[in-house]
Amino acid sequence: GIQVEQSPPDLILQEGANSTLRCNFSDSVNNLQWFHQNPWGQLINLFYIPSGTKQNGRLSATTVATERYSLLYISSSQTTDSGVYFCAVREGGGNKLTFGTGTQLKVEL
Amino acid sequence: DAGVIQSPRHEVTEMGQEVTLRCKPISGHDYLFWYRQTMMRGLELLIYFNNNVPIDDSGMPEDRFSAKMPNASFSTLKIQPSEPRDSAVYFCASSFALGVGTGELFFGEGSRLTVL
Repeated sequence: GIQVEQSPPDLILQEGANSTLRCNFSDSVNNLQWFHQNPWGQLINLFYIPSGTKQNGRLSATTVATERYSLLYISSSQTTDSGVYFCAVREGGGNKLTFGTGTQLKVEL
Repeated sequence: DAGVIQSPRHEVTEMGQEVTLRCKPISGHDYLFWYRQTMMRGLELLIYFNNNVPIDDSGMPEDRFSAKMPNASFSTLKIQPSEPRDSAVYFCASSFALGVGTGELFFGEGSRLTVL
C-alpha cells in the first residue's frame, strides 16, 4: 500500500513563530487531507487539498501532486495550535484514507 | 448537520465482556469508515462500507471484531470478547463518494475504550 511520511516528527515553537510541516507520499493520490488532533483528541479538518494551494487564516497548504508531497504552513503560531498534525491520502482509484505518523507540535509562551 | 456522532464517548469494561460502539454518519454520505488509534500503531483503518455494504475489512484485527451497517444512518463495531490490548480510541468517519462530492472525510469525536 501507499506510504505516507511526515516530518518533522516533533516540533517545539515559541508563540509567534512560523513553521512548515511536510508530507511525502509514495504513489499518486486523488485525495489529500490535513487534520489537527487537538489535546482533547478531536480530529479537526484543516484542508482538503489533492493539488494546488489553499489558505485559511494563519494556515495554508500546498500540494504538488506530481512530486508527491504536501506542505502545511503555520504562521504566527499560538498555543492553541498545539497538538498533532496528520496528513492523510487516498490512493488513486481507491477509497480508504491512509494516515501518516503525524507531527507533534507544541507551542510555548 | 450535526456531524458524525459516536457513542459512547468513553467505555471502561473488564476483559471478556462484549463491547458495542455506535456511529451515525453525516446524512447523505455514501462511505463509512472505522479507524482505531493507539500510541503504538497510530491511526489504522479497520473496515469501511459503501452504501451499507462492507467493502474492505482487511484491517479488522481478528474474529473477535465485527462491524455492521444495517442502514444508511447507523453502524456498529462490536468486540466480543474484549481484551486489554483492544484499549484504544475508535473513530468513525464518513464521506461522499468521489465524483458525488470531494470525498473529504469527516470524523466523529471518537470512543475511548479501556479494557481492564
